[in-house]
Amino acid sequence: GAVVSQHPSRVICKSGTSVKIECRSLDFQATTMFWYRQFPKQSLMLMATSNEGSKATYEQGVEKDKFLINHASLTLSTLTVTSAHPEDSSFYICSARDLRGLPSWGYTFGSGTRLTVV
Amino acid sequence: TQLLEQSPQFLSIQEGENLTVYCNSSSVFSSLQWYRQEPGEGPVLLVTVVTGGEVKKLKRLTFQFGDARKDSSLHITAAQPGDTGLYLCAGVGSGGSNYKLTFGKGTLLTVNP
Repeated sequence: GAVVSQHPSRVICKSGTSVKIECRSLDFQATTMFWYRQFPKQSLMLMATSNEGSKATYEQGVEKDKFLINHASLTLSTLTVTSAHPEDSSFYICSARDLRGLPSWGYTFGSGTRLTVV
Repeated sequence: TQLLEQSPQFLSIQEGENLTVYCNSSSVFSSLQWYRQEPGEGPVLLVTVVTGGEVKKLKRLTFQFGDARKDSSLHITAAQPGDTGLYLCAGVGSGGSNYKLTFGKGTLLTVNP
């Protein structure tokens, strides 16, 4: 089946630094990837939709300059949290859409990244 | 904006009991998915329902999609501690928007032995 690899799984960074999170589709091409943020015991909140070769589409209220998304290839999208602050601490999850017509309708999620800003 | 109301938000039951989780919306979705998520992991797809009135079974889990494709339910029979987790419903938009998933708020299920 489709596999999405997300790295790192955990990261601790100092306030003011930037952190990059990678999301890779391992055995399929993903023209569209999605980035979510999740707070403890809550649901996933869509941050942005990442399209290969074009600018990401951000959801209302999400700061484009703070959460930089790059989708340079059909198998890799990255999320960079710039000038991180403690309030950016959260669980970030990516998903990729597989267009091969699988019965699952093609959404596969990464295992998430726990970001802690100290 | 399409919204999904999921209830209950929290559910704590004893092993062997039955439960139902509901997912309702005023919008029509092309399909609806149910996921289960464990702490520190990404969501794992359980099922996708596509046709209005559809019923799918996955061992002790029964999923229904409403006739109007606006609501869905998940019923678990004889719950076990291994069923503990966060259950999420997600609607797939009908056309455009890169087929974004709209998630419900989730149901945190705890099954006590």
